[in-house]
Amino acid sequence: DAGITQSPRHKVTETGTPVTLRCHQTENHRYMYWYRQDPGHGLRLIHYSYGVKDTDKGEVSDGYSVSRSKTEDFLLTLESATSSQTSVYFCAISESRGGDEKLFFGSGTQLSVL
Amino acid sequence: AQKVTQAQTEISVVEKEDVTLDCVYETRDTTYYLFWYKQPPSGELVFLIRRNSFDEQNEISGRYSWNFQKSTSSFNFTITASQVVDSAVYFCALSEPSGGSYIPTFGRGTSLIVHP
Repeated sequence: DAGITQSPRHKVTETGTPVTLRCHQTENHRYMYWYRQDPGHGLRLIHYSYGVKDTDKGEVSDGYSVSRSKTEDFLLTLESATSSQTSVYFCAISESRGGDEKLFFGSGTQLSVL
Repeated sequence: AQKVTQAQTEISVVEKEDVTLDCVYETRDTTYYLFWYKQPPSGELVFLIRRNSFDEQNEISGRYSWNFQKSTSSFNFTITASQVVDSAVYFCALSEPSGGSYIPTFGRGTSLIVHP
């Protein structure tokens, strides 16, 4: 596939603690995305990146920050985790070739904030 | 307003029945992409199909078929002769251009349960 690795796969943390999720890709794709998945809401975009140090907010960005200091890594940080941020987080990359675009996802990170 | 509407929250069928999952989208762009993804109980998101806005040809892949109609802004997905392994949550998504990027927006998903 697109060589996407998310870490950690599972995380349990306490309210108020900082948490960083990592998305790593091996194929030099320009666009990377962070989504969260919640029952009844489907997948909602948190932040995305269109290049090194180029990021923008998505639909549900409050309480989250991102960084992309190199092409292969896109980090999602919860500065002070809250219970409402308990969710499954998916990283995705967008691959465009010959005018066609495909979106590939990582395996997801299950985050529980107690 | 949702850009991608999957009105069916849950569908329950018996094996071998045909089932259609509806997807209606909203966009002002002339160039965009539509996707379907499958999320089985194991949780990963599996890419099924991508369509660009200039290609209205319907597509068939085995028991799966997709009907893209720009006139009704719909991109429906049909499973013929459903099987228990088709049980999953299915997501429709729309990818629109935004400042040089294509930003994917997902529907809320349709949970398909296929009973033996």
